[in-house]
Amino acid sequence: QVQLQESGPGLVKPSETLSLTCSISGVSVTSGVFKWTWIRQSAGKGLTWLGYVSPTGSPTYNPSLRSRLTITQETARNQFSLQLASVTAADTAVYYCARDRGVGDFDSWGQGTLVTVAS
Amino acid sequence: QSALTQPASVSGSPGQSLTISCTGTSTDIGKHNLVSWYQQHPGKAPKLIIYDVTYHSPGVPRRFSGSKSGNTASLTISGLQAEDEADYYCTSYTLGTVHVLFGGGTKVTVL
Repeated sequence: QVQLQESGPGLVKPSETLSLTCSISGVSVTSGVFKWTWIRQSAGKGLTWLGYVSPTGSPTYNPSLRSRLTITQETARNQFSLQLASVTAADTAVYYCARDRGVGDFDSWGQGTLVTVAS
Repeated sequence: QSALTQPASVSGSPGQSLTISCTGTSTDIGKHNLVSWYQQHPGKAPKLIIYDVTYHSPGVPRRFSGSKSGNTASLTISGLQAEDEADYYCTSYTLGTVHVLFGGGTKVTVL
């Protein structure tokens, strides 16, 4: 059974870099055609696709965040990570990692982690 | 690319049926059958319930069903139950610069 777990600071100061890690169990981050994805949800609002890293380590980003976002694969630890630079209060959200089976259907999700941007 | 359009809320009584619409364009929903639906209870992660327009995720009750016509996909809940009260989101795969579009979400209330 695939399990995902987000970890990282719950509070980040404005203008700093938000860093999160998603630990994967039950499947290798390099296997198959899965796209290892980050999604966020602002308070009381909907879901936004941020981007993913492919099994070969190639990232794809939401164009609205491309200049600030980095998603990387860490094969030795079977993890993938998100870094979002120059954060503002608008980046405050619950961040989810998820497995995309290839065409935008997310069959496994982490529990989500709340990140607040505040000084 | 804009988000997919869903009604903000729908409601029904136990045992009734209700349908949630998800409207996109000819470049996303209208172009293929790669539409999914998610159920999200408060404080929980979304859960995949329908994929490829009509297919059920394992363990999902058959009272949930999906369909599509043109640029609009729909999720129908038949025999509404109290535990179906949740937020529901649709998604569509796209060939554009955004890999997947989300709908704005629909809050289902069981009266």
